[in-house]
Amino acid sequence: AQSVTQPDIHITVSEGASLELRCNYSYGATPYLFWYVQSPGQGLQLLLKYFSGDTLVQGIKGFEAEFKRSQSSFNLRKPSVHWSDAAEYFCAVGMNYGGSQGNLIFGKGTKLSVKP
Amino acid sequence: DTEVTQTPKHLVMGMTNKKSLKCEQHMGHRAMYWYKQKAKKPPELMFVYSYEKLSINESVPSRFSPECPNSSLLNLHLHALQPEDSALYLCASSQDWRSTDTQYFGPGTRLTVL
Repeated sequence: AQSVTQPDIHITVSEGASLELRCNYSYGATPYLFWYVQSPGQGLQLLLKYFSGDTLVQGIKGFEAEFKRSQSSFNLRKPSVHWSDAAEYFCAVGMNYGGSQGNLIFGKGTKLSVKP
Repeated sequence: DTEVTQTPKHLVMGMTNKKSLKCEQHMGHRAMYWYKQKAKKPPELMFVYSYEKLSINESVPSRFSPECPNSSLLNLHLHALQPEDSALYLCASSQDWRSTDTQYFGPGTRLTVL
């Protein structure tokens, strides 16, 4: 069965430090991968997505993610974290229902806290 | 414009009330979704509408009744809810119902059932 694992429930980093949020997926076919961010009480905003091609994907707000098929991973990175990056981050995989239809399977999320 | 709007932002209702949540998008998207999100959990899919037809109902209790009056509008009618139904209800839309289509989320309706 398809699944998405985010091993870290909560991460705290200092402002200005680098960040890496981990995401592993289990999916039989070519995965379509997404990272979303959710500020408290808000909806989800798409940071970036990977479908094919270059395995290093650039997103908004200075985020990037690298798809590694051999490790079934799609980790999110940012070189220098800002206090405004504190939020919940969800990795998701787009799933096919035997055709062109698709739904999202979400990981459980990683909460990012930023220390001044 | 990639905006999905939801009203109301907050809703408090009793277990005998009938209320509705509204979602609107003007991006020409043909797939629309309702998700339920409990605190500290990921969103859980409830319903998918594709071309105004209900395509997926993830075994949601009948006290939740979705409606898609037209391609831009999605409603969720609520009746006889339970306190455990209190959650953030998120609407999303995508160009089509495909795994490659980005889903755009609204800000959600925070529902409290007393």
